[in-house]
Amino acid sequence: KAGVTQTPRYLIKTRGQQVTLSCSPISGHRSVSWYQQTPGQGLQFLFEYFSETQRNKGNFPGRFSGRQFSNSRSEMNVSTLELGDSALYLCASSLFITAGGYTFGSGTRLTVV
Amino acid sequence: GQQLNQSPQSMFIQEGEDVSMNCTSSSIFNTWLWYKQDPGEGPVLLIALYKAGELTSNGRLTAQFGITRKDSFLNISASIPSDVGIYFCAGQLQAGGGADGLTFGKGTHLIIQP
Repeated sequence: KAGVTQTPRYLIKTRGQQVTLSCSPISGHRSVSWYQQTPGQGLQFLFEYFSETQRNKGNFPGRFSGRQFSNSRSEMNVSTLELGDSALYLCASSLFITAGGYTFGSGTRLTVV
Repeated sequence: GQQLNQSPQSMFIQEGEDVSMNCTSSSIFNTWLWYKQDPGEGPVLLIALYKAGELTSNGRLTAQFGITRKDSFLNISASIPSDVGIYFCAGQLQAGGGADGLTFGKGTHLIIQP
């Protein structure tokens, strides 16, 4: 059974640009969450999608957005990139929102220069 | 927002030793999770706890959900080299059929000296 797949693995962008990251959940999983991991702040919740609807949102500015498609695949977008957006972006999937046992992908390492 | 205090921040131990780490919170959770993260990879779920007082084992790992719902600990017995990595606790609050996102501790970096 394939795990959570995130693409691309690595990305370098310039300040002011925008970026789109992709996540394919485990087959059958309908909930997809996104997390930002930095050395200073650790792992922080961005948002969670279930059945194409955003169900929860963390404390991030509106430059961070996402969406989920009918096949449960999800994308997150960051507009007007700042240096501080450099981080490992992790996607996690689970059967339902309240399942608790989220499975994480390997992440996309975003570097903003 | 909610904060999790995870300790210790790092541990240097000898192979074969037992390890203990814990997390405390200023507010309650109704799910506690323990993850391990290796370099360049995402966190991998080790143990999930869903009920206050619950004690759960997974091989050499044992974790407990505190009675107050504000803390959890993870023990690793007889450590081996592959236990090296960063261990994270995470709490989740579920209410009204929904749930908040996971709140993570800052991690415990486990280093094993042969």
